[in-house]
Amino acid sequence: GQNIDQPTEMTATEGAIVQINCTYQTSGFNGLFWYQQHAGEAPTFLSYNVLDGLEEKGRFSSFLSRSKGYSYLLLKELQMKDSASYLCAVRVPRANSGGYQKVTFGTGTKLQVIP
Amino acid sequence: DVKVTQSSRYLVKRTGEKVFLECVQDMDHENMFWYRQDPGLGLRLIYFSYDVKMKEKGDIPEGYSVSREKKERFSLILESASTNQTSMYLCASSSPPGATEAFFGQGTRLTVV
Repeated sequence: GQNIDQPTEMTATEGAIVQINCTYQTSGFNGLFWYQQHAGEAPTFLSYNVLDGLEEKGRFSSFLSRSKGYSYLLLKELQMKDSASYLCAVRVPRANSGGYQKVTFGTGTKLQVIP
Repeated sequence: DVKVTQSSRYLVKRTGEKVFLECVQDMDHENMFWYRQDPGLGLRLIYFSYDVKMKEKGDIPEGYSVSREKKERFSLILESASTNQTSMYLCASSSPPGATEAFFGQGTRLTVV
């Protein structure tokens, strides 16, 4: 089976930096995604990592270590609007589906940014 | 702007009713998905489709079926709604083979009473 772990909740201060960790144990690996989901809204794509290392995109960065089954999402210069749930998801090959690669989601980390 | 549209934002249905949730995407994507999202459980895949008339079971298909007669439309069917199917349902689409993101609809909050 697939197992993806993230902290349930985190709190951070406006203007600060926060790191949200994700660990995974999956049967195969072909990419890790981070999505942001504001309460009552659809998830929106933030980042994608398939090779080890850091991907930076503005205030958001995502890191991957495949050997450790570990990723983190780094949010800098936190703003109040960053209060949301952050979903880690891993894509794995699915043997008997025409090469389709299934994406499994973690339960999400609810981040609260306080003044 | 890319769009995945779900037919209803909120639905209330009675136990035993047959329920249809509709999803339409305008991006010509091959892959479409239905997830349900419950507190503490995250997004769980119910069914997906990688082509017209093609469907595969996800992790929790029991009590559900799907239909994909046209590329842009993917329907989720609850054959006989039960209270444990009260949930947020999310539709998503993506384009193979190495899609780097999926696009989600706004979700349908279904309550079965």
